[in-house]
Amino acid sequence: KAGVTQTPRYLIKTRGQQVTLSCSPISGHRSVSWYQQTPGQGLQFLFEYFSETQRNKGNFPGRFSGRQFSNSRSEMNVSTLELGDSALYLCASSLVLGQMNTEAFFGQGTRLTVV
Amino acid sequence: DQQVKQNSPSLSVQEGRISILNCDYTNSMFDYFLWYKKYPAEGPTFLISISSIKDKNEDGRFTVFLNKSAKHLSLHIVPSQPGDSAVYFCAAHLPPPMNYGGSQGNLIFGKGTKLSVKP
Repeated sequence: KAGVTQTPRYLIKTRGQQVTLSCSPISGHRSVSWYQQTPGQGLQFLFEYFSETQRNKGNFPGRFSGRQFSNSRSEMNVSTLELGDSALYLCASSLVLGQMNTEAFFGQGTRLTVV
Repeated sequence: DQQVKQNSPSLSVQEGRISILNCDYTNSMFDYFLWYKKYPAEGPTFLISISSIKDKNEDGRFTVFLNKSAKHLSLHIVPSQPGDSAVYFCAAHLPPPMNYGGSQGNLIFGKGTKLSVKP
């Protein structure tokens, strides 16, 4: 069974540009969450998608957005990039297990560098 | 304000000895806790979890202890092996807000502890 796939693995953008990152969850998984990892802040929750709808959102500005397609693949978009957006962006997929989710499977991440 | 804290950024242990990684939290609403291990250039991988109604969970060399009154959990690795060298993240699961249909809630992570196991 293939794992969570994130593309691209590495990306360099300049300030003010926008970027779109992609995540393909494990087959059969319907929930996709996005996290940002920076050295100073650790992993921080961005948002969660399920059945093409955003279900939960972290404390990030509106420049960060996402969507989920009918095949559960998800994209996240960051507009008007700032230097502080440089980070590893991780996608996690999980099965819906009622109210409990004991594990989320992470992709390898996309390393975004804003110059 | 950090809800999940890993106060030790790094830990060095001799091979064969016990590694103890600590984590403190502040939010009583967390309903279970997880430990993830992360190697450079890879995503975090799930190690072990514990429900908030338990005080211990064991899986092979890995044991997680939960002290709810102290809002503290720890991961014990016995015996430690060089291949255990990685960054370990403590995470707490926050249930979804009321009336959120289908949400899994979200994980709140600590900043990680870098474990080095020396041969």
